[in-house]
Amino acid sequence: AQSVTQLGSHVSVSEGALVLLRCNYSSSVPPYLFWYVQYPNQGLQLLLKYTSAATLVKGINGFEAEFKKSETSFHLTKPSAHMSDAAEYFCAVIRGANNLFFGTGTRLTVIP
Amino acid sequence: NAGVMQNPRHLVRRRGQEARLRCSPMKGHSHVYWYRQLPEEGLKFMVYLQKENIIDESGMPKERFSAEFPKEGPSILRIQQVVRGDSAAYFCASSPFTNEKLFFGSGTQLSVL
Repeated sequence: AQSVTQLGSHVSVSEGALVLLRCNYSSSVPPYLFWYVQYPNQGLQLLLKYTSAATLVKGINGFEAEFKKSETSFHLTKPSAHMSDAAEYFCAVIRGANNLFFGTGTRLTVIP
Repeated sequence: NAGVMQNPRHLVRRRGQEARLRCSPMKGHSHVYWYRQLPEEGLKFMVYLQKENIIDESGMPKERFSAEFPKEGPSILRIQQVVRGDSAAYFCASSPFTNEKLFFGSGTQLSVL
């Protein structure tokens, strides 16, 4: 069954530094992959999704992710971190009838 | 267009009581999903419903948990005889069609004393 694994439950970066959040997937079929962000005390928001149209996917707030089949990865990046990016980030894959399987999340801390 | 509305925002129950969590999907959305988020864990899928039908309940515990999405009114996640291990944040999401973007509510934080 399709699944995702997020490496690193906590990531800290300095303001202005590169953000890299890792996600690896396991799937026997071409996957639909997503990145969601959860700000404190809020529900999830979709950052971006991969549906096989293009390997580099651009999302909101300057985030993007690249689908690499050879590495079974879908890492999330942002060139320059802002304080407002501090949140929990979830990678997810569709499994079954639109059943989203989420990774365990990565908490991003941005240091001023 | 209001987003996905969940209430209550916080719910406190004593062991053995019943918890009822409500979710009103976005207007025009007929697909509802419930997820549970436990501390230090990711979101876990519980159940997927369309109007009056349960499509996938593979994530629902076999006992004490039930969900419905009636023709009229919100979707309800019901937990009978709650135990401390049920304490978690419960998120609802909706979408207009399958394989479409999910819109999430802000969640209900259930605390069992």
